[in-house]
Order: sequence, then C-alpha cells, then structure tokens
Amino acid sequence: SQTIHQWPATLVQPVGSPLSLECTVEGTSNPNLYWYRQAAGRGLQLLFYSVGIGQISSEVPQNLSASRPQDRQFILSSKKLLLSDSGFYLCAWDPRQGWDTQYFGPGTRLTVL
Amino acid sequence: AQSVSQHNHHVILSEAASLELGCNYSYGGTVNLFWYVQYPGQHLQLLLKYFSGDPLVKGIKGFEAEFIKSKFSFNLRKPSVQWSDTAEYFCAVTSGSSYKLIFGSGTRLLVRP
Repeated sequence: SQTIHQWPATLVQPVGSPLSLECTVEGTSNPNLYWYRQAAGRGLQLLFYSVGIGQISSEVPQNLSASRPQDRQFILSSKKLLLSDSGFYLCAWDPRQGWDTQYFGPGTRLTVL
Repeated sequence: AQSVSQHNHHVILSEAASLELGCNYSYGGTVNLFWYVQYPGQHLQLLLKYFSGDPLVKGIKGFEAEFIKSKFSFNLRKPSVQWSDTAEYFCAVTSGSSYKLIFGSGTRLLVRP
C-alpha cells in the first residue's frame, strides 16, 4: 500500500533562517506531488505541484521554492523565512491516472518567530 | 478565478442531530468535487467524491453529498451525527483538465455528546 511521510512534524525557526521540509511517498511510482499551506480559517492553498522529476509549477508568488530531486521526493525550501511563512504545510500525491483523489501527508507545523 | 465557498465556519450539534454543510463553487465547466475531513490529530482524508454519474454520492461513515449543477453546489449531509464526527470538513474542486484542487475555507463541526 502507498504511504506518504513528512518531516519534521513541527518546526520553530527564527526569521531569516533557511527552511527545508521533506516529503516522500512509498508504494507508487511517477506520482503527481503537491505542497499546500493551511492557514487558520482559510482552508488549504496550493503552493507548488510537480508532474515529474525536476518539473515544478508554482501557484503563488512567495518566499518559498520547491524541488523534486527524485521521483517520490518533494522538498519545500526557503533561503530566508518570514513571519508570514508560519503555517501548516501539507504534502499530497495522486497516482496520475485520470482525475483521482489526492492523498495527504501528516503535515508540518512551522512557526517562525 | 475558480473559488469554493463554505458558508458555515463553525457548526455545533448534539448527537443524533442531522447535518448539512454547504459548499458552492464558481466554475462553469466540468468539475470534480470532493469532501475531505480532518479529525483531531489525524491526516486530511477523503470522505467522498463526485466525478460523474449519479449526483447523489455516498461516502464513508454514513455521509453523503448531492451535486446540483444548476446551483453550483455540493452539500454534505448526514442524517444523524455522532460525537466521533467532530472534525474539520473541507470541500474541494478540480475543474476542467486541471490537477489543482481548490479548497474551501473549511467548516469546524463540534458534536456534543
């Protein structure tokens, strides 16, 4: 069966520090991968998606970037965090077989102080 | 731009009460519709989905939703809620040939025993 992992689960970082959040998927190949941010009372906002290694689409101009160095690995990064980057970050995948369900990871709670 | 509206941000019910959560979307073409649920401390998970066919969709745990194309709506219903239904519920839409899931802002449901 397929599983999706995210780490770390929680992270507290100072403003101006770098960020790296990792997401890996097991039990499938060639998935679509997604990064979302969930802000309180605002639902989930799609940040990036990837249809293959090295292929990243950005949905929202911001302080963050994403990379996909391997088929089942998706990384969210920042060179210098802002206070507004605080939030709950979710990674998701789908099997890219027609329009199917996206499956979500456990998320990372990021607090920027 | 496509959007999804969930008008009830917080709902409080007693056990055995009936539930209906509203969801409206703005897109005139073909849509795929989803309800996701996030129980306290758990992953976001799929409750039910509509791609085509019977507009009345049945999901897990006794939930159902009805797609009404003329009203651009996909309301979630359950005839008798339980304390274990306490969670946050998200409506989401993909449109046309897009991979992008557009989420509503979510509804927090509290069921009192």
